Amino acid sequence: IVLTQSPGTLSLSPGERASLSCRASETVSNNYLAWYQQKPGQAPRLLIYGASTRATGIPDRFSGTGSGTDFTLTISRLEPEDFAVYYCQEYDISPPYTFGQGTKLEIK
Amino acid sequence: EVQLVESGGGLAQSGGSLRLSCAASGFIFNTHWMHWVRQAPGKGLMWVSRINGDGSNAAYADSVEGRFTISRDNAKGTLYLQLNSLRVEDTAVYFCSRGGYFSFGPLDLWGPGILVTVSS
Repeated sequence: IVLTQSPGTLSLSPGERASLSCRASETVSNNYLAWYQQKPGQAPRLLIYGASTRATGIPDRFSGTGSGTDFTLTISRLEPEDFAVYYCQEYDISPPYTFGQGTKLEIK
Repeated sequence: EVQLVESGGGLAQSGGSLRLSCAASGFIFNTHWMHWVRQAPGKGLMWVSRINGDGSNAAYADSVEGRFTISRDNAKGTLYLQLNSLRVEDTAVYFCSRGGYFSFGPLDLWGPGILVTVSS
């Protein structure tokens, strides 16, 4: 499966709403799709799994939707700490567990 | 504290070898599949390898198959990645991460990463 994220870079202001897209080249079975956040010099952090379930401790301004081949990560009201790079990943039983190329969310 | 900490990175020559370790603590290590993910400088994430809970099954990305070997010592709570026949393009930060409980699943715990630099 190839995951294509768009846009490559998203420029927004704090308080605005962000929508990040992840499109798969074929159906992601059982919606085994995760979203990660990575800040410079840090390891990635799991945000969303199963396409729509927030991981432990993730604020409810983060939400995931979608199924099949089209998935979206939405951040309802951007906080200063949300500006980072976001990756989607499929984690089905069969490898490879492909990542998308990432979307950089930057302050406008 | 639940954590993963990598070690063993550094500088190697093309064609050389390195062994990475990842020490796990704060959770029952043998109940989770474990993964290695790498990130070349300024690039995105690339999944490298995974191993199941008892170490009996492993999988690799095509680009490292036959050169890298993943293993684990459940008694020591440690994950390993043996890197052989290193290439310049293997230069990256290598992260170990925790996968699913007795199965596949999202990567819900990550180490801080360790840098591997391969020179020509």
